[in-house]
Amino acid sequence: GDSVTQMEGPVTLSEEAFLTINCTYTATGYPSLFWYVQYPGEGLQLLLKATKADDKGSNKGFEATYRKETTSFHLEKGSVQVSDSAVYFCALSAPITSGSRLTFGEGTQLTVNP
Amino acid sequence: EPEVTQTPSHQVTQMGQEVILRCVPISNHLYFYWYRQILGQKVEFLVSFYNNEISEKSEIFDDQFSVERPDGSNFTLKIRSTKLEDSAMYFCASSGVPGQGLLVSSEAFFGQGTRLTVV
Repeated sequence: GDSVTQMEGPVTLSEEAFLTINCTYTATGYPSLFWYVQYPGEGLQLLLKATKADDKGSNKGFEATYRKETTSFHLEKGSVQVSDSAVYFCALSAPITSGSRLTFGEGTQLTVNP
Repeated sequence: EPEVTQTPSHQVTQMGQEVILRCVPISNHLYFYWYRQILGQKVEFLVSFYNNEISEKSEIFDDQFSVERPDGSNFTLKIRSTKLEDSAMYFCASSGVPGQGLLVSSEAFFGQGTRLTVV
């Protein structure tokens, strides 16, 4: 079945450091890929998404590129802020089908220190 | 901005008791979901609901679980006889806007979750 694997956490960085959170997936066909973020005490929020190979999703300075050849969707940010401290989840859903379930990775706890 | 709301935020129940978790999805969405996250583990899909019936369910969603959309706004998850291992954070989500088409993977909006503790 479909699965998502994220790099192990937690990740602790200093403010303005470069962030990479690795995500790889296993799926049949061409899934849609997502990054969700969960700030302390809040629900899951969509951070960015990509629906086909070589698409780049971006939001709030975060980026991720859909790499079909390496089945990856790594999250990057050039300069993190304290406010980026949260749990980040990589997820996939079935290709181009509305109402499909999301399959999540384990989540990566990011802490950014001033 | 429209949002998914869940109540209660935290529920403590005794093993064997029935519990109902409530959700108000975004009003014009078509698809509704329940997910759960056991502490320290992945977020897991439980069930999806469309057009007043279950469209997909996972192996976790056994006969102890049921979902209902009793009126035009609420979406509930019932656990008939809770077990200790049902303790988790339960997330409701909704997606899909009329006219968007069934062949477009749309963003799922999540509620803040209900933390269920079975003692």
